[in-house]
Amino acid sequence: DSGVTQTPKHLITATGQRVTLRCSPRSGDLSVYWYQQSLDQGLQFLIQYYNGEERAKGNILERFSAQQFPDLHSELNLSSLELGDSALYFCASSPVAGASGNTIYFGEGSWLTVV
Amino acid sequence: DQQVKQNSPSLSVQEGRISILNCDYTNSMFDYFLWYKKYPAEGPTFLISISSIKDKNEDGRFTVFLNKSAKHLSLHIVPSQPGDSAVYFCAAKPLGYNQGGKLIFGQGTELSVKP
Repeated sequence: DSGVTQTPKHLITATGQRVTLRCSPRSGDLSVYWYQQSLDQGLQFLIQYYNGEERAKGNILERFSAQQFPDLHSELNLSSLELGDSALYFCASSPVAGASGNTIYFGEGSWLTVV
Repeated sequence: DQQVKQNSPSLSVQEGRISILNCDYTNSMFDYFLWYKKYPAEGPTFLISISSIKDKNEDGRFTVFLNKSAKHLSLHIVPSQPGDSAVYFCAAKPLGYNQGGKLIFGQGTELSVKP
């Protein structure tokens, strides 16, 4: 158990809908990361928040948004969903903003299926 | 564009033999390279890393080699054990303050160690 909690674990929704994925980081970690893993793809970095502020951004679609709340949990909002958004979405956390990699801990992921 | 590639989607090795997983990158602006291991229904977990100024790093049965001129790194597992069967992701951490703790991942190699 990495200490990173993601909900829901599985989600099935229709095209055009909006969903919210939730992440609770490890206790004491200030950074939260979101990654997307599509079929046959590696993990694609979406966005990082550090202590409530956006810290680094990847190729996150405009239909997607994220935020980190004062209690440090984070939400990833996916709107106007398309079939191609079906993927495994990972949240990860680390104590600091510029983690060296060995202190980044991943949750078990949220499986999103868009039908 | 910063890219990390794992060209072998799968590898099968006999227990007790050496497993060699390979990874190539196309940009030199990375300060760390890492290997993550992922079991089904779990998030990736950190395995071993190497600084861009090093050639080799060893941790027990795991050794990572970095060839900067070839922009290539490899993970050696000796001896391989059935419990090593998992998907292995190569990752690179880009240089730069605005990159935060972002990691760029390869597509993964599924290792199967046969008893």
